[in-house]
Amino acid sequence: SVLTQPPSASGTPGQRVTISCSGSRSNIGSNSVYWYQQLPGTAPKLVIYSNYRRPSGVPDRFSGSRSGTSASLAISGLRSEDEADYYCAVWDDSLSGQVVFGGGTKLTVL
Amino acid sequence: EVQVVYSGGAAAQPGGSLRLSCAGPGFTLDNYVMYWVRQIPGKGLKWVSLISWDGSTRKYDDSVRGRFTISRDNSRNSLYLEMSSLRREDTARYYCGKAILDGDSDDGFDILGQGTMVIVSS
Repeated sequence: SVLTQPPSASGTPGQRVTISCSGSRSNIGSNSVYWYQQLPGTAPKLVIYSNYRRPSGVPDRFSGSRSGTSASLAISGLRSEDEADYYCAVWDDSLSGQVVFGGGTKLTVL
Repeated sequence: EVQVVYSGGAAAQPGGSLRLSCAGPGFTLDNYVMYWVRQIPGKGLKWVSLISWDGSTRKYDDSVRGRFTISRDNSRNSLYLEMSSLRREDTARYYCGKAILDGDSDDGFDILGQGTMVIVSS
């Protein structure tokens, strides 16, 4: 993948976990990052857009940030229902332009 | 959850064609960039195509350029993906998406509904 995410992450209930997303100047370095949560057997759900904004209905336990060519998704007060796959995405200015996704991070709540 | 109706997902032979549609009784397409993404079961997400709010700009992933065509009919509140010269590697669940902000935004998009499955096999 153009964007690099760790394949897995874990935490215990109540903890704060962070998932990283590394890119380059043509994508994260120039454009807004967004994040999806995909619960098992369901469609992906947008949880962060414009680097740090939350869509209506997404709890404020979810936060996003971007610095240089990297971005992060943080989940505080971890809950069992947060166990899911998480994907970062961003517009990439290279070639004719395209949306690129990270490979996904499987978050396990221990 | 936003109400969306998918149609066109099916089994097709390599070299065949399909037309996917995504219609929104529960949302409006007007003024929003629209997207198609796909996901092979058990794998990650992959962007396929986008179309600007007015249809003047269309972009495609290299893997589908020249074979797939995205279009929209705002009067019917519908998004389409014409798929031709299908390959086995096009087998995936296809989702449509709607930009989270109106206009020419590239700040993110909602993925709508449960998508539709396309299986390319002989």
